[in-house]
Amino acid sequence: ETGVTQTPRHLVMGMTNKKSLKCEQHLGHNAMYWYKQSAKKPLELMFVYSLEERVENNSVPSRFSPECPNSSHLFLHLHTLQPEDSALYLCASSPQGARKPMNTEAFFGQGTRLTVV
Amino acid sequence: KNQVEQSPQSLIILEGKNCTLQCNYTVSPFSNLRWYKQDTGRGPVSLTIMTFSENTKSNGRYTATLDADTKQSSLHITASQLSDSASYICVVNTNAGKSTFGDGTTLTVKP
Repeated sequence: ETGVTQTPRHLVMGMTNKKSLKCEQHLGHNAMYWYKQSAKKPLELMFVYSLEERVENNSVPSRFSPECPNSSHLFLHLHTLQPEDSALYLCASSPQGARKPMNTEAFFGQGTRLTVV
Repeated sequence: KNQVEQSPQSLIILEGKNCTLQCNYTVSPFSNLRWYKQDTGRGPVSLTIMTFSENTKSNGRYTATLDADTKQSSLHITASQLSDSASYICVVNTNAGKSTFGDGTTLTVKP
């Protein structure tokens, strides 16, 4: 276990549903991330939070809405998704906050396998 | 444009054999390069990190090399085991904290 826990592990949702992905880290890290991993594509950074403040948003559609209530928890709220949003969604955390998050090791959760039908 | 290219895309080897995975990058300004291992259905786990001044670093049966002049890195796996079957991802980071991920190499080790 990496100390980063994601729930649920698998999720199937219709295009009109609303669901949320949860991530919790027990490592005392300052930065947390959401990544999307589609088949045969590199990981795509979606959101970065540092000390609970969003520091990066890589032009993600508004149907994905992140929330970081504290430094240990990160959510990704989903609504009116499209089939092409089906992917593995990975949460990660790293010790260093602010503007250089990924220069320290990122610890990944096991991901949520999302299928949009 | 910052890019990371990994080769081969996939590789099948027999248990006990060695293999080498390649990573070429055009990321600038370079800060460090990480190799991650991602088992099927799991998140990536860091294997090694290489900074500008490091040429070789080992982690058990994994040895990473870095040639900052040619912007190439390799990951050598010695005496492969079935548990080495995974996707290996190369990530290059800039001084500004931007990360560029490669597509990964899928390694299958067969008995």
